[in-house]
Amino acid sequence: NAGVTQTPKFRVLKTGQSMTLLCAQDMNHEYMYWYRQDPGMGLRLIHYSVGEGTTAKGEVPDGYNVSRLKKQNFLLGLESAAPSQTSVYFCASSSHRGTDQPQHFGDGTRLSIL
Amino acid sequence: QKEVEQDPGPLSVPEGAIVSLNCTYSNSAFQYFMWYRQYSRKGPELLMYTYSSGNKEDGRFTAQVDKSSKYISLFIRDSQPSDSATYLCAMSAISGTYKYIFGTGTRLKVLA
Repeated sequence: NAGVTQTPKFRVLKTGQSMTLLCAQDMNHEYMYWYRQDPGMGLRLIHYSVGEGTTAKGEVPDGYNVSRLKKQNFLLGLESAAPSQTSVYFCASSSHRGTDQPQHFGDGTRLSIL
Repeated sequence: QKEVEQDPGPLSVPEGAIVSLNCTYSNSAFQYFMWYRQYSRKGPELLMYTYSSGNKEDGRFTAQVDKSSKYISLFIRDSQPSDSATYLCAMSAISGTYKYIFGTGTRLKVLA
């Protein structure tokens, strides 16, 4: 009963370091999303993908890059981490058209940038 | 003004109470409305999903949409301590943007 799996669950980085967050889904969903969740801000969309090999910018894409080389995986990269990127990152996926199918979420990656 | 407004709470109720959680929104194009439950240190999980106006019931949960007032509600009957969580509303328009707008969430505590 895996659903959406995110790795790692926790990470502490120093300013300027880089890292990649991995999201894997086993539901054969076409659409995948990366969000960040901050207190008082709700979930904000960073990037999303509507299929293998595609990516698009969301609401807050600056400082992040993504790749969707395989349908089941969606990677979020931070090239040069900044303290403002301290957040909880959630990956989600959905089937068919994104706006009329609910999204299924992973349990998040808690990232602290010192 | 945010597109979706949700009272952050916390809302504390005794076990067995009826809970009412609400969101207001400003975009009349929203057609799809969802409620997610999020336990501490977990991802959001879908509770209710409705299209357009009306009510939908699932066990102890009822979702209500009033598009004329741009107002949605989630009612929880016979609330249990296990219902203690943050409840997020989310909504989207039929625009093909694959984008959901989430409320900031309401923290609910059900006291035994």
